[in-house]
Amino acid sequence: EAGVAQSPRYKIIEKRQSVAFWCNPISGHATLYWYQQILGQGPKLLIQFQNNGVVDDSQLPKDRFSAERLKGVDSTLKIQPAKLEDSAVYLCASSFGAANYGYTFGSGTRLTVV
Amino acid sequence: GENVEQHPSTLSVQEGDSAVIKCTYSDSASNYFPWYKQELGKRPQLIIDIRSNVGEKKDQRIAVTLNKTAKHFSLHITETQPEDSAVYFCAASKGGSGYSTLTFGKGTMLLVSP
Repeated sequence: EAGVAQSPRYKIIEKRQSVAFWCNPISGHATLYWYQQILGQGPKLLIQFQNNGVVDDSQLPKDRFSAERLKGVDSTLKIQPAKLEDSAVYLCASSFGAANYGYTFGSGTRLTVV
Repeated sequence: GENVEQHPSTLSVQEGDSAVIKCTYSDSASNYFPWYKQELGKRPQLIIDIRSNVGEKKDQRIAVTLNKTAKHFSLHITETQPEDSAVYFCAASKGGSGYSTLTFGKGTMLLVSP
């Protein structure tokens, strides 16, 4: 089965610029997650979608981050404007149902804000 | 919300030794505990998981134990090999609620010297 696809793999932007990341989950996986992984730390949930609806965005900095999954398949995560502290790897993951069957992660997008 | 603590942050062992990584969780309702391995620059990959109705699970050189009363679980790797060198993350979720998410520990960097 194809894995979780993410693009781009790397992105370098200046602070105050905007950036967007794309994720295509495993076919048939209804649940999609975006995680932020700062260097040396564990992944931190930003947002969870169930089909095209948001289930949990309590840790998403909504003043600058937004995400959508309009057709319940692929998803985009946007940061506008970016800050230096947004430098991290942004991981997309998907699961068939509830998290208790484990996630499959994508390879991530490494964002550097300078 | 759930809080997962992981220790140690770094673990160095000689090839052939055993390695143990420990995690504690705060939410007594959590019932699913996966472990992920992340090699440098790669995505986290699920290596083993355990549910709260089981006290121990083994898969070749890897085992996980769970103590629900104490709210802690551990990863045991026996006969370590250099290719086991990676960052290991524990996580916890309240699986079965339909919309649960994984909360990750901060990770343990395991270094296996030949």
